[in-house]
Amino acid sequence: SQQGEEDPQALSIQEGENATMNCSYKTSINNLQWYRQNSGRGLVHLILIRSNEREKHSGRLRVTLDTSKKSSSLLITASRAADTASYFCATSHNTDKLIFGTGTRLQVFP
Amino acid sequence: SQTIHQWPATLVQPVGSPLSLECTVEGTSNPNLYWYRQAAGRGLQLLFYSVGIGQISSEVPQNLSASRPQDRQFILSSKKLLLSDSGFYLCAWQGAHEKLFFGSGTQLSVL
Repeated sequence: SQQGEEDPQALSIQEGENATMNCSYKTSINNLQWYRQNSGRGLVHLILIRSNEREKHSGRLRVTLDTSKKSSSLLITASRAADTASYFCATSHNTDKLIFGTGTRLQVFP
Repeated sequence: SQTIHQWPATLVQPVGSPLSLECTVEGTSNPNLYWYRQAAGRGLQLLFYSVGIGQISSEVPQNLSASRPQDRQFILSSKKLLLSDSGFYLCAWQGAHEKLFFGSGTQLSVL
């Protein structure tokens, strides 16, 4: 079964705007990761945040984690048309498994 | 550097035919390996994972099986494909800090 649920399912914005995607999960985690998938391709790792961290930055990406609410958000600032893709959160528990959410499809218009 | 190879890229198979998808990893030893399936426009469903040769964990009851005959080889199989086996199959290996590195995927259409 899927652990995470992303919100919104789809998001359309103009270049230069910020994009925010949210992820909720059900059980305690070791870490939470965000991945990107271009259409018809494999997923690419973007950023990992551990359960004892609250915020992390990588370039134009900012990830927050609220373990009390079992939620995370991914913010992409100053979006570009090349950011058009699907974005997935994935959670790791006390096992070797990484469970993915349902994804947010982001469309950035030039 | 590590690389992951997955083939074929696309596959069209009739119902009832067998399936064999192969995934190999280079540049690392004893990796954790994973098979995921993705329905069109949906999230990823974990099918199998392996922490070593001959060690396979199945996540969901299904028409598929997996094997790991060598350290860096992971094979997804079926004896008789069903229509519901159609989807995008992704192989991945786990690197440092629990990050997954994915292959390019196989689009399977069962007709």
